[in-house]
Amino acid sequence: AQSVTQLGSHVSVSEGALVLLRCNYSSSVPPYLFWYVQYPNQGLQLLLKYTTGATLVKGINGFEAEFKKSETSFHLTKPSAHMSDAAEYFCAVSEGTGNQFYFGTGTSLTVIP
Amino acid sequence: DTAVSQTPKYLVTQMGNDKSIKCEQNLGHDTMYWYKQDSKKFLKIMFSYNNKELIINETVPNRFSPKSPDKAHLNLHINSLELGDSAVYFCASSQGAGLSTDTQYFGPGTRLTVL
Repeated sequence: AQSVTQLGSHVSVSEGALVLLRCNYSSSVPPYLFWYVQYPNQGLQLLLKYTTGATLVKGINGFEAEFKKSETSFHLTKPSAHMSDAAEYFCAVSEGTGNQFYFGTGTSLTVIP
Repeated sequence: DTAVSQTPKYLVTQMGNDKSIKCEQNLGHDTMYWYKQDSKKFLKIMFSYNNKELIINETVPNRFSPKSPDKAHLNLHINSLELGDSAVYFCASSQGAGLSTDTQYFGPGTRLTVL
C-alpha cells in the first residue's frame, strides 16, 4: 500500500527566501513521485516527476526535488521564492505498474512581500 | 485554447437532485479521469476511462456514473445528491493509461455544493 505525507499544511516564506516543501511516502515497490501545483480556482499542473534515473529532478518555474530512498522523501525546493509561487502544492505517489495514484493533503504556500 | 474544460464551473443544488458535470479534452489523449477534492483539499481518483472503456473504478457510491460518449469526453452523472457529495470535482486526461508514466492534464474543476 502506498501513502503520502506532506508535513506542514501551511508554509510561509519571504519573497526571495528558500522554499522547502516536505513530502514523505511509503511504498512497497519503487515509487514514481510527483509534485503538482494548484493556483487559486485552477486545476492542478505538473511541476515535476521522478520515475527512474537521476534522483535530482528539475521542474518548471525553477522548482526541483530530490528523491532520497533512504529517507523515503521527495522534498520540493526553490532557491528564491516569487510572489507568483503562492499556491497549493501536492505531492503524489504511484507504483511503476498498476492504476493507483495517491495525492498528499497539500501544502499551502504563502509568499510574504 | 483550453486543453481540458469542464462545465459548469459552479453547481449549487438541493439534496436528492440528479446532476451532471461535463468534461472535454482537445489534446487527443486516450485516457480521462475524474477526481474528487474534499473540503480538506484531499484529492482522490474516482474513475478512469481509456478509449471509452472503464479501467479504474475506485470505491465510489453507485450513485456516481461516468459516461464516455467518445475519447474526448467523460461526463459524470450523480444521482440522489447527498450533502457529502459537496466537493470540487476535477477532470483530467493523459496520453496513455499509465498513471505512473503519463502526465495528467487537469481541468479547472467544478465546485459542487449540495444544500
